[in-house]
Amino acid sequence: ETGVTQSPTHLIKTRGQQVTLRCSSQSGHNTVSWYQQALGQGPQFIFQYYREEENGRGNFPPRFSGLQFPNYSSELNVNALELDDSALYLCASSLAPTGWDGYTFGSGTRLTVV
Amino acid sequence: AQSVTQLDSQVPVFEEAPVELRCNYSSSVSVYLFWYVQYPNQGLQLLLKYLSGSTLVESINGFEAEFNKSQTSFHLRKPSVHISDTAEYFCAVSEPGNAGNMLTFGGGTRLMVKP
Repeated sequence: ETGVTQSPTHLIKTRGQQVTLRCSSQSGHNTVSWYQQALGQGPQFIFQYYREEENGRGNFPPRFSGLQFPNYSSELNVNALELDDSALYLCASSLAPTGWDGYTFGSGTRLTVV
Repeated sequence: AQSVTQLDSQVPVFEEAPVELRCNYSSSVSVYLFWYVQYPNQGLQLLLKYLSGSTLVESINGFEAEFNKSQTSFHLRKPSVHISDTAEYFCAVSEPGNAGNMLTFGGGTRLMVKP
């Protein structure tokens, strides 16, 4: 059991740029969800991927996009960065889409947009 | 739409004292309920969950939470806290079958245990 690994841990980008965040899911987990956690707030659901297909999306604009690969690693891409995109981005994997056994969260990538 | 309210943003308490972290939710359908804990510079860890059955659920480290459907609450309690319990605690709700099986989190409660 390797847990969920996210990279990089910290990142600074300029407004208008594009960023890619990466996540390596726990072994055997075929579902990955991404959350955005602004400072002092609870995480907010961005989207979920199951078997490489988007399986649901929260209230985030299309400039937030994702990919899931056959080896269960995944990416979160954000285009045209805005200052409000500064947050901790959390990746969570689970054995099944429902996640009722509990999601395994990574430690996150802290993105700062300046 | 589902929502979660954690009534206290911070809860200071002395070591070995009891504590209750309050959570209320809003949903038009049956829900699943979760408590997650976040230590500094770490991701979230599942503390306990209610899916069905007994309304009182317990964690391995002494926390318990009780699902109260009539009051739409899922308060977290511990009879005696330790310094190591200092962390941010998040209550979350999910409606079975919602898109992406998303968790809706409350704003969090920072538990500060003092010696």
